[in-house]
Amino acid sequence: QQQVRQSPQSLTVWEGETAILNCSYENSAFDYFPWYQQFPGEGPALLISILSVSNKKEDGRFTIFFNKREKKLSLHIADSQPGDSATYFCAARDTGYQNFYFGKGTSLTVIP
Amino acid sequence: EAAVTQSPRNKVAVTGGKVTLSCNQTNNHNNMYWYRQDTGHGLRLIHYSYGAGSTEKGDIPDGYKASRPSQENFSLILELATPSQTSVYFCASGVTTSAETLYFGSGTRLTVL
Repeated sequence: QQQVRQSPQSLTVWEGETAILNCSYENSAFDYFPWYQQFPGEGPALLISILSVSNKKEDGRFTIFFNKREKKLSLHIADSQPGDSATYFCAARDTGYQNFYFGKGTSLTVIP
Repeated sequence: EAAVTQSPRNKVAVTGGKVTLSCNQTNNHNNMYWYRQDTGHGLRLIHYSYGAGSTEKGDIPDGYKASRPSQENFSLILELATPSQTSVYFCASGVTTSAETLYFGSGTRLTVL
C-alpha cells in the first residue's frame, strides 16, 4: 500500500515558469513532510520541509503548500531553471518519529 | 555538511553469492538507514538502526540482514543474492528530531547475475 503518492510522474516546463509537484498521503498521523531533490548518479538531498502545524513554507524559489484537511501538499518551484531538472521525492513521517515513507518521485525537466 | 560514504560504488555479484554493502558516517548521527531505489517504486526502507548494536526491520527486509557494529558503520548483507535484488542501494543517517534530515550517501549500484 502506497502511503505517499506523487503526481505527475514526470513534468516538463519552460525556463521561468512555475513547476507544481503534487503529493498526497493516507495516514493522518503523518506530521512532517520533507521534499528531497535527486540528481542523476547522486543520493537525494533535503530541499525543503514542512511540519503539519504550518500551511506554507517558503525558501527562496521553493514553496510548500500544505492542506491538512485534504491530506495534500504541493511543491511550487518559481522561475524554474535548467539546473532544477531533477527527481523530487515527497516523504512523510508520523508523530512517533518512526520511518519515513517516500513517494515514487516526480521527474522534472526544465527546458531553456 | 554531513558526510555519508558508501562502498563499493558498483558491484556485480552472482546468484547465490554473499554481498556486503558498507556505509560510514562521520557526523555522530544515531540513526542510520538502508533504502533501495527502483524505477517505479521510489525509495523503500530495508533496515534501520537507532544506534550501535541495534537493527530494525524496515518495509522490505526479506533477503537482507543488517549490522551496526559502531556509531559510524552500518552494513547491509545479502547472504544469498538473487537477481531481484539488483538495484541501487542508498545509506542515510540522521538524528531523531521533529524535523529530522536524512543525509544520503551516493549509492551503490548492485547487479546480481
